Formats: sequence, C-alpha cells, structure tokens
Amino acid sequence: GDSVTQMEGPVTLSEEAFLTINCTYTATGYPSLFWYVQYPGEGLQLLLKATKADDKGSNKGFEATYRKETTSFHLEKGSVQVSDSAVYFCALSLIQGAQKLVFGQGTRLTINP
Amino acid sequence: DADVTQTPRNRITKTGKRIMLECSQTKGHDRMYWYRQDPGLGLRLIYYSFDVKDINKGEISDGYSVSRQAQAKFSLSLESAIPNQTALYFCATSDPRWSEQFFGPGTRLTVL
Repeated sequence: GDSVTQMEGPVTLSEEAFLTINCTYTATGYPSLFWYVQYPGEGLQLLLKATKADDKGSNKGFEATYRKETTSFHLEKGSVQVSDSAVYFCALSLIQGAQKLVFGQGTRLTINP
Repeated sequence: DADVTQTPRNRITKTGKRIMLECSQTKGHDRMYWYRQDPGLGLRLIYYSFDVKDINKGEISDGYSVSRQAQAKFSLSLESAIPNQTALYFCATSDPRWSEQFFGPGTRLTVL
C-alpha cells in the first residue's frame, strides 16, 4: 500500500543552521506531496505542496522538490529560526479517488537560540 | 473565526463511557475526515465522508462510529471508550478539486 517514511527525530539545531528533513514515499499512482507543520498546541497547517514530478513547493523559506526518480520530497531551509520549532509531517495524497492523506510519522524540530 | 472547529478541546473520561467529539466547518467543503494522532505514528485515518449520505471507513475504524449531520458537521463517537483510544483527534476538510486538507485544532482525549 501507499506509505511515507520520514527521517526520525527529534532534530535539534542552532539558529541559522541549515535544515534538511528527509521524506521518501511509496505509491501505486501519481500522488501529490505535502509538508504539514504542527506548532505546539495547534492543529496541522499546510506548509507547502507539489502536485507533479520536478515541481518545487516553497513557503516561509522552506522548499521541497518532488523527485519521482528517487521517490523523495525532502524539506530544506537555509537558515532556521527559533520560531520554526515544531513537528513536521510529510504526506501524500492520490489525485484520484478518496484523496486520503497518508502521513509519515512526523519529525520534531527544536531550534536553540 | 477558525474555519474548522472542534469541541471539546480536551476531555478526560473513564473506560466504558460513551464519548462524542464534534467538528464544524465554515469552508463549505463537502469532504470531511477524522484522524487520530499517536506519538511516533503520525496521523491515521478513522473515517471520512464525501457528503451527508456518504460515509466510509478508514484504516482504523474499529471502536469508532461517525455521523454527518449536515454538510458542515461531522461527529466522531466512541461507544465504549478504552484506554488505548487515548490520543489526539483531528478533523479535516477538503475540496474535491484540490488534494490539500484543512485541519481543526484537535481534541485531546484521555481514557482512564
């Protein structure tokens, strides 16, 4: 079945460090790919998305590129801030049918000043 | 006002009690979803609904039931709560033209 595997956390970085959170997927069709972020005590918010191969999603300084050949959608940010501390979820959804989201296990990120 | 709201935000109950979690949305979306979040497991789909007359089981529906009272309202029930249903529960909505989903703030449920 469809699945998403994320880099295990927790991840702790210093402010202004470079961030990469790895995400790979397995899907039978042609999925859309997402990164959601969950700040402490809040629900999930869409951070960025990509709907087809080679698309790059970007938002708030974060980027991820849909790589069909490596079935990956790694999240990157060049210089993290304390306010980026949150849990990050990679997810996929097949365009056809129920459009159910399949989530990775989440990666907790802590940024120290 | 929030587009997707959930009530209650926190609930502590005892084993065997019946519990209802409610979700309301003002986004006008037809599709609604209930997920459960457990540490280290991400979110898992419990039930989803495409409209008032269309209810479907997700991957972990055992022990849960749902009711779609209106386009804007989707409730999740635990008929007889058990401790391993202690989790964070999220409601979400989507527009079938787009694959992204919009989440409520979550309900933290503790079953003692």
